[in-house]
Amino acid sequence: KAGVTQTPRYLIKTRGQQVTLSCSPISGHRSVSWYQQTPGQGLQFLFEYFSETQRNKGNFPGRFSGRQFSNSRSEMNVSTLELGDSALYLCASSLVEGYGYTFGSGTRLTVV
Amino acid sequence: GEDVEQSLFLSVREGDSSVINCTYTDSSSTYLYWYKQEPGAGLQLLTYIFSNMDMKQDQRLTVLLNKKDKHLSLRIADTQTGDSAIYFCAESTWMDSSYKLIFGSGTRLLVRP
Repeated sequence: KAGVTQTPRYLIKTRGQQVTLSCSPISGHRSVSWYQQTPGQGLQFLFEYFSETQRNKGNFPGRFSGRQFSNSRSEMNVSTLELGDSALYLCASSLVEGYGYTFGSGTRLTVV
Repeated sequence: GEDVEQSLFLSVREGDSSVINCTYTDSSSTYLYWYKQEPGAGLQLLTYIFSNMDMKQDQRLTVLLNKKDKHLSLRIADTQTGDSAIYFCAESTWMDSSYKLIFGSGTRLLVRP
């Protein structure tokens, strides 16, 4: 079966711009989580969605937002980009909350 | 608060066993995971263990859990050069009405030919 698909794989944006990243979970998985990976901070939890509802949000500013659609696909948006937002953004889906997270290949965002 | 710690680096010779260690703090964690990340790639789920288990074996991988000491280890038997990667330990913890994964900083495994 198809894995977790993240698009695009790479993005280069300018400071001040906004960006939208997409994640298609494994078919049947209703939970989608987002993580940010940077060399300095490691892997940090951004948010989790289940059945179109945001269940939890990590310690990130309001510039980071997301949503989940009825088909479980999820998007995250970062507005007013800063240089420090450069990171690998990873999406994970799971059939059941708390168990069996499968990650996508990530979107590498570079802010210049 | 919750925290997961790992050693940063491990170097082994091809064919030897590798043991990567991890400590965690949340005693209520339900599942503990090991992920592998190769350069430029996402996270590959290697194996996981439920918190009421002591050991899990999956082909070359053995996971040991010492719940009393909150210590988790991953043993890779007959380590190959293709096993060179960063290995992340993670705990699934319940917080603010949902689960989230708390990751360690990763252990870089280098396998020497």
